[in-house]
Amino acid sequence: EAGVVQSPRYKIIEKKQPVAFWCNPISGHNTLYWYLQNLGQGPELLIRYENEEAVDDSQLPKDRFSAERLKGVDSTLKIQPAELGDSAVYLCASSSQGYNEQFFGPGTRLTVL
Amino acid sequence: DQQVKQNSPSLSVQEGRISILNCDYTNSMFDYFLWYKKYPAEGPTFLISISSIKDKNEDGRFTVFLNKSAKHLSLHIVPSQPGDSAVYFCAAIPAQGAQKLVFGQGTRLTINP
Repeated sequence: EAGVVQSPRYKIIEKKQPVAFWCNPISGHNTLYWYLQNLGQGPELLIRYENEEAVDDSQLPKDRFSAERLKGVDSTLKIQPAELGDSAVYLCASSSQGYNEQFFGPGTRLTVL
Repeated sequence: DQQVKQNSPSLSVQEGRISILNCDYTNSMFDYFLWYKKYPAEGPTFLISISSIKDKNEDGRFTVFLNKSAKHLSLHIVPSQPGDSAVYFCAAIPAQGAQKLVFGQGTRLTINP
């Protein structure tokens, strides 16, 4: 069974530029999460989807961040414009409905110069 | 407001000995706890979990203990092996929290040969 796939693995951009991350969850997992992980910290939830519906986006900075999960499978997280403080690892995870265990992808390491 | 705390940023243990990683939480509404293991440049991998109705869960070399009155849990690894060297994250889910994981800061475990 394939795991959670994320791309790109690494991204370097200049501040004020836009950037997008893509995630493909484990097949059959209807719940998808985007997390932000700063250096030396644990992951922090940005947004959670149940199928194509964003059911928890309370931690998503909506002035510059947006996300979508069309057709309830793949998801894209976008930042526009990026700021220096956005440099971090962006993790995608998925889980089956009713199960607590979440399965993580390898993450995208973003560096904003 | 750090609801899940791992107060030891790092731990070094001799191969073959027991590794004990600790985690404290402040929110009494947490009712499910998980441990994740993370290697460099990879996403966190689920290791073991425990429900608040239990005080111990064992899986091979890994055992998690939960002390609800002290709001404390620990992960025991015995015997420790070099491949156990990684960052370990404690995470908690609140009752009715809809699978929202709250992570600690992580503890870097190094197993010395």
